[in-house]
Amino acid sequence: DTEVTQTPKHLVMGMTNKKSLKCEQHMGHRAMYWYKQKAKKPPELMFVYSYEKLSINESVPSRFSPECPNSSLLNLHLHALQPEDSALYLCASSLEPGPYEQYFGPGTRLTVT
Amino acid sequence: AQTVTQSQPEMSVQEAETVTLSCTYDTSESDYYLFWYKQPPSRQMILVIRQEAYKQQNATENRFSVNFQKAAKSFSLKISDSQLGDAAMYFCAYRSELSGGSNYKLTFGKGTLLTVNP
Repeated sequence: DTEVTQTPKHLVMGMTNKKSLKCEQHMGHRAMYWYKQKAKKPPELMFVYSYEKLSINESVPSRFSPECPNSSLLNLHLHALQPEDSALYLCASSLEPGPYEQYFGPGTRLTVT
Repeated sequence: AQTVTQSQPEMSVQEAETVTLSCTYDTSESDYYLFWYKQPPSRQMILVIRQEAYKQQNATENRFSVNFQKAAKSFSLKISDSQLGDAAMYFCAYRSELSGGSNYKLTFGKGTLLTVNP
C-alpha cells in the first residue's frame, strides 16, 4: 500500500476563518512533507517533519501552522490566510528523511475568498 | 544550489509512438538521486522512475526509461508505445540535501505538459 490520503479534497475559506488540512499515511514512513503548488507551477516545499519533529520550515508565514500528532498523521492549520494563498496543497511521505522517493497524496484545493 | 531545467514546456505524441522529455540539472554533488514524476489532470503526483547517480545503468520501468548522462548532467525520459493515459504534466526532480545533513528536498523543474493524440 503506497497511499497517502488527504482531506478535504476542496476547501473554500474566508480570510478570517480558521481551518485545517489533514494528511494520513499508513506505510510506516517517518518523514512527511507539505508542499504548495500554484497552477501550472511545480510544487514548492513548505515543511518537513522527521520522526514527528519539525525539521525544516522553508520560511513559511506563520499563518500556516503544521502539526504532527503521530507518525501517521500530519495537519496543516490555516488562519488569516490571504487570497494569494489559494493553491493546491500536497502532502507527501517517505520511508526516512534521507534520499528516498516521496509518495504524494491527491492534494487539497484551497480557495481563499 | 541545485537547479533543474526542463526546456520543453509542452510536447505532443501520437498514440503508440515514442516521445522523449528532456531534463538537465546543475549540481556540485557527486552522489544524488533523480526522479521523474507524473501529474495527470487528477492532480496527484505519481512517481514514474528514479535514478541513482552512482549507477551507470539507465533505469527502466515498463514503457518508461531514462537516458542518464552524468557528465552532461542530463536526465531524459523516454516513453514508448504512448497511451492516452500518459497525458499529464511531467516533472523532473533532483533530490538535494538540506542544511543539517539529514534532510532532503525535491527540487523540481517547471514541468513538461505531454499531450497524447489518438
